[in-house]
Amino acid sequence: QKEVEQDPGPLSVPEGAIVSLNCTYSNSAFQYFMWYRQYSRKGPELLMYTYSSGNKEDGRFTAQVDKSSKYISLFIRDSQPSDSATYLCAMSEGGNTPLVFGKGTRLSVIA
Amino acid sequence: GAVVSQHPSRVICKSGTSVKIECRSLDFQATTMFWYRQFPKQSLMLMATSNEGSKATYEQGVEKDKFLINHASLTLSTLTVTSAHPEDSSFYICSAQNAAGGDNEQFFGPGTRLTVL
Repeated sequence: QKEVEQDPGPLSVPEGAIVSLNCTYSNSAFQYFMWYRQYSRKGPELLMYTYSSGNKEDGRFTAQVDKSSKYISLFIRDSQPSDSATYLCAMSEGGNTPLVFGKGTRLSVIA
Repeated sequence: GAVVSQHPSRVICKSGTSVKIECRSLDFQATTMFWYRQFPKQSLMLMATSNEGSKATYEQGVEKDKFLINHASLTLSTLTVTSAHPEDSSFYICSAQNAAGGDNEQFFGPGTRLTVL
């Protein structure tokens, strides 16, 4: 079992839909959870950052972490064509440890 | 804030030459920088962890003599691909961790696309 599992998609939704992206993980020592958005041929951009379990909301984006289930989610409300990108979940144990990434989910929002 | 730059953004070189890629944190100090490689439609693969003033820690399977990393200051790390070959063609991305933050956030540069002919 890989440390972080993420469905690569592609996921195609109509404009305005609610998008749900998910990752599962196996390492119970992970404490920091991040979602990055990566447009084609660009570096990843940090979208959401969460420490431990709980929810965090920022505009149209909501990140959820359930450490008991080792499951994290990113919700995008009122999706826009500009949200079309690859979304990568990432997590770490803390300190200066490297991030462990999911494979990324390719999202297309169709106008 | 938290801007990371990379230079160059794109480089094309002949097989056998060496290429240096710079990664800079523009508005914060980074004790730790990470170098990743990404192939088309793949996730990021960590190559090495670079700590300011010390030797880099390489991931298994990454040749340290081929991918030379120098982290000479709190705002600059360089990756040199020595004697590059076509199979080294890839998208190289760095990330930097804010030394002042205790929360493990990493910010990524825009990436460098290397093409070896």
